[in-house]
Amino acid sequence: GQQLNQSPQSMFIQEGEDVSMNCTSSSIFNTWLWYKQEPGEGPVLLIALYKAGELTSNGRLTAQFGITRKDSFLNISASIPSDVGIYFCAGRPYSSASKIIFGSGTRLSIRP
Amino acid sequence: NAGVMQNPRHLVRRRGQEARLRCSPMKGHSHVYWYRQLPEEGLKFMVYLQKENIIDESGMPKERFSAEFPKEGPSILRIQQVVRGDSAAYFCASSPPASGSKDEQFFGPGTRLTVL
Repeated sequence: GQQLNQSPQSMFIQEGEDVSMNCTSSSIFNTWLWYKQEPGEGPVLLIALYKAGELTSNGRLTAQFGITRKDSFLNISASIPSDVGIYFCAGRPYSSASKIIFGSGTRLSIRP
Repeated sequence: NAGVMQNPRHLVRRRGQEARLRCSPMKGHSHVYWYRQLPEEGLKFMVYLQKENIIDESGMPKERFSAEFPKEGPSILRIQQVVRGDSAAYFCASSPPASGSKDEQFFGPGTRLTVL
């Protein structure tokens, strides 16, 4: 089946640093979504992208829909302690009318 | 405007019992999705429903699992004769009917099922 390769699996950075993570697929996607999940909670939608090349910001978060439609990245600028959590990319493949596929997540830890 | 609600938050069952998980979508949302998440893993799609219809159940195990979204009331994910391997967090998500934003799924807090 279709899979999303999300990297890195984990990051351990200094407070104030910028963070970058990405997702790639072997097939074309029509939608890219980025979620954050904290322990014991459901994922929270951060950014939704619908057009190739689209660049969207949400506060210190910026995400882009890759031109090839097979990848997306999420950047977090000037990280703070509350950014800790697991970040998931997700997307709807071109071949699917409804199903969203999730990446395996990037676990972000921050040194104060 | 309440978000997606799931209950119970935690459910403990013995092997062979039935588990019923409930999900009430956000107000105005007509699409419901169920996902399963194992520890340290991403979410795996199970089923997509609209009111009284199963649209896509390609992620549902062939046996023991069923889902419904009746005209009135919450969506139910039902697991019969649970086994230890069913232990996981089960998340429900809903999305609005508008085609432009239907991929934006909003998640509930999940039900953590433990099978003893």
